[in-house]
Amino acid sequence: DTGVSQDPRHKITKRGQNVTFRCDPISEHNRLYWYRQTLGQGPEFLTYFQNEAQLEKSRLLSDRFSAERPKGSFSTLEIQRTEQGDSAMYLCASSLALQANTGELFFGEGSRLTVL
Amino acid sequence: EDKVVQSPLSLVVHEGDTVTLNCSYEVTNFRSLLWYKQEKKAPTFLFMLTSSGIEKKSGRLSSILDKKELSSILNITATQTGDSAIYLCAVVKYGNKLVFGAGTILRVKS
Repeated sequence: DTGVSQDPRHKITKRGQNVTFRCDPISEHNRLYWYRQTLGQGPEFLTYFQNEAQLEKSRLLSDRFSAERPKGSFSTLEIQRTEQGDSAMYLCASSLALQANTGELFFGEGSRLTVL
Repeated sequence: EDKVVQSPLSLVVHEGDTVTLNCSYEVTNFRSLLWYKQEKKAPTFLFMLTSSGIEKKSGRLSSILDKKELSSILNITATQTGDSAIYLCAVVKYGNKLVFGAGTILRVKS
C-alpha cells in the first residue's frame, strides 16, 4: 500500500499520560500536514512541514503538543500530559508542493485518541 | 477570522433523490475551494474549484463555485446508499493552509 499510513489507529490513555502518533506519508511527497477532527466537526489545521522544516503551527497547538519530521520523511505528533479535551481523531495528510498549491491532500486513516 | 460554513448540517434522503449541499466562506487570501467525501476513514478528494461559473462533474456529482457570492454547491443526482458520508468543504489559502467547514452528514436510505 503506497498511501499515507498512521499508527496507532486507536489509542486509549489515561489523563496525564503522554502519547505519540506516527505518520508515514506517500514516499515522494515533501509536504506533510497534521489535522485534528472532533465529532461533528471538520478537520482543524494543526501544523505542516515542508521536508523537515515545520512551516506553520496553529494556535490550537498548545505547548503540550509537539510535532517533528526529522528526516523529511515520517512525522511524529506527541501530546504530553493528555487532557480529556484532546480526545479526537488526528489526521495526517501529505502532498507534493505543487499539489498543495492546488489543495489536493492525501489523507491517512487517522489515529483516534480517547483520553479517559 | 477565517470561516467556512456548510449547510445543511445533516440530511436524510431516499435513494434516487437529488441533493444540493452548500458551502459559504469568508477567508483572506482565497486560492481555491475543495470538496472531500469522508466515510468512516480519511477524507477523499472530490473536486477542486478555482474559477467562478465553471462546473466540475464526476459521474453523478457536480460542483460549481461563485466567487462573487463566496459560495459553492455540490450536487448529487440519483443518490445511492453508497453516497452516505460526510461531505467536507475546504478553502485553500495562499500559503497552502486548508480551512475546513464542519461538514454535511448525508444519509441515503434505501
